[in-house]
Amino acid sequence: DTGVSQDPRHKITKRGQNVTFRCDPISEHNRLYWYRQTLGQGPEFLTYFQNEAQLEKSRLLSDRFSAERPKGSFSTLEIQRTEQGDSAMYLCASSLTTGFLGPNTGELFFGEGSRLTVL
Amino acid sequence: KQEVTQIPAALSVPEGENLVLNCSFTDSAIYNLQWFRQDPGKGLTSLLLIQSSQREQTSGRLNASLDKSSGRSTLYIAASQPGDSATYLCATRGRDDKIIFGKGTRLHILP
Repeated sequence: DTGVSQDPRHKITKRGQNVTFRCDPISEHNRLYWYRQTLGQGPEFLTYFQNEAQLEKSRLLSDRFSAERPKGSFSTLEIQRTEQGDSAMYLCASSLTTGFLGPNTGELFFGEGSRLTVL
Repeated sequence: KQEVTQIPAALSVPEGENLVLNCSFTDSAIYNLQWFRQDPGKGLTSLLLIQSSQREQTSGRLNASLDKSSGRSTLYIAASQPGDSATYLCATRGRDDKIIFGKGTRLHILP
């Protein structure tokens, strides 16, 4: 088990460009979460998946953001027409839940994050 | 709506001292509370997970307690070392399965 992997670790882009981040969760984990973190703040929830189903999206996730987990394994987070306000660390986490939509008491494991800088 | 608060925002202590980090939350209807460590520019590393039915968890020099009725959790670090310098975050998982984080406490251990 290699833990949660995120790629790329750092992305610098110009305003208006599209960027995509990838997350590979711990292999047996069925829940996958995306968070955004800015300097001095705690992580803010963006969206999460149960297997391939996207169960909830935060109001923070504007229509420029889209996330997928097509086969219930890895996930991608795409940001279209990036803005300077999108500059942040994008964190992926995974956990194991024992029941669909049931209480999830599983431990949350994070990747190293993908830092986005929009110039 | 759950709110998680960590006070103080920053703390400096001499090496070797025992210390306590605080985490408070407004909604006591939680499934669990988890403590994390974050080094600058890195992701979060899980330290301890306390289920709602538990009162405390221990790992090495770390001990975390949970008092749901008062909406508080503490992380106790014994015999602090310079390598403990990091930001420590707590997060609650609510009955709606939302995981809410505090802003963290930046800990600096003075050699």
